[in-house]
Amino acid sequence: EADIYQTPRYLVIGTGKKITLECSQTMGHDKMYWYQQDPGMELHLIHYSYGVNSTEKGDLSSESTVSRIRTEHFPLTLESARPSHTSQYLCASRVAYEQYFGPGTRLTVT
Amino acid sequence: QKEVEQDPGPLSVPEGAIVSLNCTYSNSAFQYFMWYRQYSRKGPELLMYTYSSGNKEDGRFTAQVDKSSKYISLFIRDSQPSDSATYLCAMSGYMEYGNKLVFGAGTILRVKS
Repeated sequence: EADIYQTPRYLVIGTGKKITLECSQTMGHDKMYWYQQDPGMELHLIHYSYGVNSTEKGDLSSESTVSRIRTEHFPLTLESARPSHTSQYLCASRVAYEQYFGPGTRLTVT
Repeated sequence: QKEVEQDPGPLSVPEGAIVSLNCTYSNSAFQYFMWYRQYSRKGPELLMYTYSSGNKEDGRFTAQVDKSSKYISLFIRDSQPSDSATYLCAMSGYMEYGNKLVFGAGTILRVKS
């Protein structure tokens, strides 16, 4: 079982608030990813990193930002949450051909 | 057109049935093929991966890849209620080149006891 953690698991927040979703892994993987998943829809890649100080935007346009200061930590920040940000956010890390996911953060913006 | 197509289901089967889950894809550069299982309110869990064409078996699960038809399958034998979940296919070009996984939308499977 992969050791990848996300906090909080559930978050309800008002419009305009700044939020940070935490993701950490203890496996020492260089490659890490953030996905957005809506019910019945495929996972959309919003950010990825191939190592410390490396971050890239994914295929889905997102108003979020990420940082990678330490190998094990890959937080995602929304500067001003909006109802359109309501979704499930999944963090993942990868080694070789195996990609592991965290449990996800379900975000609701009211 | 989506790169990866997957029937969303739901697929409902009785306990003990053989289940067939499928994906089609359009990108001939895909070389690695994965199946993930996702329970409600959890993250996806890697079940199996295969490289290029052929079959791979792991317990009750068999993954098949037919690159000539751009078609992959996951078979579940002797299905159990605990197999009820959403199954996602995922695929990628050569990962050494930094290619990222492309996911299907997932098929909901319900196994009834």
